[in-house]
Amino acid sequence: SAVISQKPSRDICQRGTSLTIQCQVDSQVTMMFWYRQQPGQSLTLIATANQGSEATYESGFVIDKFPISRPNLTFSTLTVSNMSPEDSSIYLCSVEVGTGMGYTFGSGTRLTVV
Amino acid sequence: KQEVTQIPAALSVPEGENLVLNCSFTDSAIYNLQWFRQDPGKGLTSLLLIQSSQREQTSGRLNASLDKSSGRSTLYIAASQPGDSATYLCAVRPNDYKLSFGAGTTVTVRA
Repeated sequence: SAVISQKPSRDICQRGTSLTIQCQVDSQVTMMFWYRQQPGQSLTLIATANQGSEATYESGFVIDKFPISRPNLTFSTLTVSNMSPEDSSIYLCSVEVGTGMGYTFGSGTRLTVV
Repeated sequence: KQEVTQIPAALSVPEGENLVLNCSFTDSAIYNLQWFRQDPGKGLTSLLLIQSSQREQTSGRLNASLDKSSGRSTLYIAASQPGDSATYLCAVRPNDYKLSFGAGTTVTVRA
């Protein structure tokens, strides 16, 4: 399985600002996934990031709010833009190293917007 | 659309008791099913992965079964310990790779 380093682990941000979350994987993967987990809720997929192409966003999530970069096969960033208190959540990245081999998750970024 | 349900939502047991966590899903056309553990405010740790062709997987005190035709999986944790206190999530992977998660079962093991 893969090992994912996710940064930062937590942050407290002012409304109206932006935060960029980074994920570094110890092996090359085609797709990286970004999830949001709102307080008391399960995980919701934000987008799928492929190297060399635009990310694919799920319904309810837009690129202007959650821009994603995927410069190579081991790294991706998610930015939460123009934040409001409703963006307070845990954000997680995930990969599947081989088809059907199971998913590995980063340690999560706990974001609080004040 | 795949719906994943976990019952119960919360569970509190004394130390040493066995735990039984249930996961049901509506679409049996799955690739595999994965059980995760999540500690408060943290990421997900994979516990067990069951492929659609398998009936069960075991790791130490953990055993997970899968009945694909009836859309059910059960996670058994033997001889529970306070360190087992966490939220347990099941996730179903279809052929198109997008995981569907249950809402989780929050377990408290009392010393």
